[in-house]
Amino acid sequence: AQSVTQPDIHITVSEGASLELRCNYSYGATPYLFWYVQSPGQGLQLLLKYFSGDTLVQGIKGFEAEFKRSQSSFNLRKPSVHWSDAAEYFCAVGMKTSYDKVIFGPGTSLSVIP
Amino acid sequence: EPEVTQTPSHQVTQMGQEVILRCVPISNHLYFYWYRQILGQKVEFLVSFYNNEISEKSEIFDDQFSVERPDGSNFTLKIRSTKLEDSAMYFCASSATQGVRGEQYFGPGTRLTVT
Repeated sequence: AQSVTQPDIHITVSEGASLELRCNYSYGATPYLFWYVQSPGQGLQLLLKYFSGDTLVQGIKGFEAEFKRSQSSFNLRKPSVHWSDAAEYFCAVGMKTSYDKVIFGPGTSLSVIP
Repeated sequence: EPEVTQTPSHQVTQMGQEVILRCVPISNHLYFYWYRQILGQKVEFLVSFYNNEISEKSEIFDDQFSVERPDGSNFTLKIRSTKLEDSAMYFCASSATQGVRGEQYFGPGTRLTVT
């Protein structure tokens, strides 16, 4: 069955430090890949997405993610974290066999120390 | 910037009661979705809706659930007879294009508590 895993439930980083959030998926083919962010009391906001082509994708708020087919991974990175980045981050996949269904990972909660 | 809105932000209901969760999608969007997130668990797809009919639904979306676009602006999720396990955050989303390639814009959610 298709699944998305995010190994880190909670990560704490210092402001200005670099960040990497891990995501692995299990799927028979390369799915569509997404990263969403959810701030407290807010809905999910799309940070970036990968469909095909260049495996390094740039998103909003200075985030980027790299698709690695051999590792079935789509890790999210940011070179310098800001206090406002504290939020819940969800990796998600969209299956090419399904029109609309997006499968979400369990999320990683990010705390930022000033 | 246009956004998806949801009402109420929090709904408390007794088991067995009917609830209707309301969403106002972005005005020029044609594709609508409901997701739910049980506390501490993943966000799960429930249903997608286009042209006044369901496009796709998950195994969670059983006969207790229904969706409707009663007018040109609202999109609703009805749960006919709520169970304790329906307690969750329910997110509405809309998109301008169909399918997972179309960016889905999410509302802030309605927290449903069934007692």
